[in-house]
Amino acid sequence: AQSVTQPDIHITVSEGASLELRCNYSYGATPYLFWYVQSPGQGLQLLLKYFSGDTLVQGIKGFEAEFKRSQSSFNLRKPSVHWSDAAEYFCAVVSGGYQKVTFGTGTKLQVIP
Amino acid sequence: NAGVTQTPKFQVLKTGQSMTLQCAQDMNHNSMYWYRQDPGMGLRLIYYSASEGTTDKGEVPNGYNVSRLNKREFSLRLESAAPSQTSVYFCASSESLAAYNEQFFGPGTRLTVL
Repeated sequence: AQSVTQPDIHITVSEGASLELRCNYSYGATPYLFWYVQSPGQGLQLLLKYFSGDTLVQGIKGFEAEFKRSQSSFNLRKPSVHWSDAAEYFCAVVSGGYQKVTFGTGTKLQVIP
Repeated sequence: NAGVTQTPKFQVLKTGQSMTLQCAQDMNHNSMYWYRQDPGMGLRLIYYSASEGTTDKGEVPNGYNVSRLNKREFSLRLESAAPSQTSVYFCASSESLAAYNEQFFGPGTRLTVL
C-alpha cells in the first residue's frame, strides 16, 4: 500500500531564510506527487505536482520541489520565506492511475520576523 | 466562480443527532470527494463520487452516507453523530478521477459532537 511520510510536524524559520520541507513516499511504481498548502481556516490549495519528466518542478508562490527516485523523496523548497508562507503543508501521493490520494500528516510552518 | 462551497462553516451536535453537510462546485467537475481532517492524521477520504449517479466508499466510510444530488452537489450525512466524528470536513472536486487532475477544496466545516 502506498504511504507518505512527512517527518517534521512543526518547523520554524526566520523570514528571508530558505526552507525545505521533507516528504518521503512508499510506492512501487512512479507515483503522482503533489504538495498542497493550507492557510489557517482555509481549504487546501495545490502548490505543485509531479508526474514525469523534469524532476525539478516549479509551483506557485515561488515554491519548487525535486523528485528523487533513489531516495523516494519529494521535498519542497523555497529560497526565501515570507511571513505569508506560514501555513500547513501537505504532501500527497496518487497511485493506480486514478484518484486514490494518500496525504501525509502535514508540516506546520511558523515564520518569525 | 466560487469554486467549491460548503455549508455550514461550523456546527455543534449532540451525540445521536443527525445532520447533512452540503457541498457544491461550479467548475463543471465530474468527480467529488469528502475528507475528514484530524490532528496529526492528515486528510482521510470518507466517500467519493466519480461522476453523477455514482458513489463509492473511501478509507473511513463508517457512520456516514452520501448523496450525489446532481453534477454540482455532493452531500454528506451523519445519521447518528458520535464524538469520534468531531473533525473538520472538506469537500473537494476534480475534473475526473484521473490521477493527474488537481483536486479543488472547499473551506471546510468544523463539526463538534458533544
